[in-house]
Amino acid sequence: QKEVEQDPGPLSVPEGAIVSLNCTYSNSAFQYFMWYRQYSRKGPELLMYTYSSGNKEDGRFTAQVDKSSKYISLFIRDSQPSDSATYLCAMVIQGAQKLVFGQGTRLTINP
Amino acid sequence: NAGVMQNPRHLVRRRGQEARLRCSPMKGHSHVYWYRQLPEEGLKFMVYLQKENIIDESGMPKERFSAEFPKEGPSILRIQQVVRGDSAAYFCASSPLDRDGEQFFGPGTRLTVL
Repeated sequence: QKEVEQDPGPLSVPEGAIVSLNCTYSNSAFQYFMWYRQYSRKGPELLMYTYSSGNKEDGRFTAQVDKSSKYISLFIRDSQPSDSATYLCAMVIQGAQKLVFGQGTRLTINP
Repeated sequence: NAGVMQNPRHLVRRRGQEARLRCSPMKGHSHVYWYRQLPEEGLKFMVYLQKENIIDESGMPKERFSAEFPKEGPSILRIQQVVRGDSAAYFCASSPLDRDGEQFFGPGTRLTVL
């Protein structure tokens, strides 16, 4: 079993829809949770960084962490074609520095 | 403020040659990480370095791979005697001192082994 599970998709939704992306994890020692966006043949771009259970909002993006269920989510509101990319969840044990990534979900927003 | 810089962006090597990948962290960042992304797979941690020190190399293959971050100059990931299975995208990331997990990635070096 992988430490971090993420549905690779692909996921295709119409422009303006709310997108929900999810990851589950097995190691309760993970304390910090990140979402990265990666466009084709580019480096990952840090979108959200959270460390506590609950919600964190930044513009059209909301990151949600539920440590009791070992489940994290990223919501994208009013999705745009420019949001089409692969979204990677990542997490780290406090003090360890080594990011553990999910496989990534390929998202396409259709105009 | 320049981000993480990596060069070359693309590198082609024949089997048995050496590959050297370079990474300059963001200004003010003293921690450097290397990750590898194989086709259709997620990113896998390789090594974590600070200036002149390897902190965690638990993700590095035991042979042919080495990394350094000298006092002056960029971090180097070196792959000796490359094989076809080394073909991948190699990403470098850097972070400031006190933010666990907050890592900023470079554009990557795409290595192709013929």
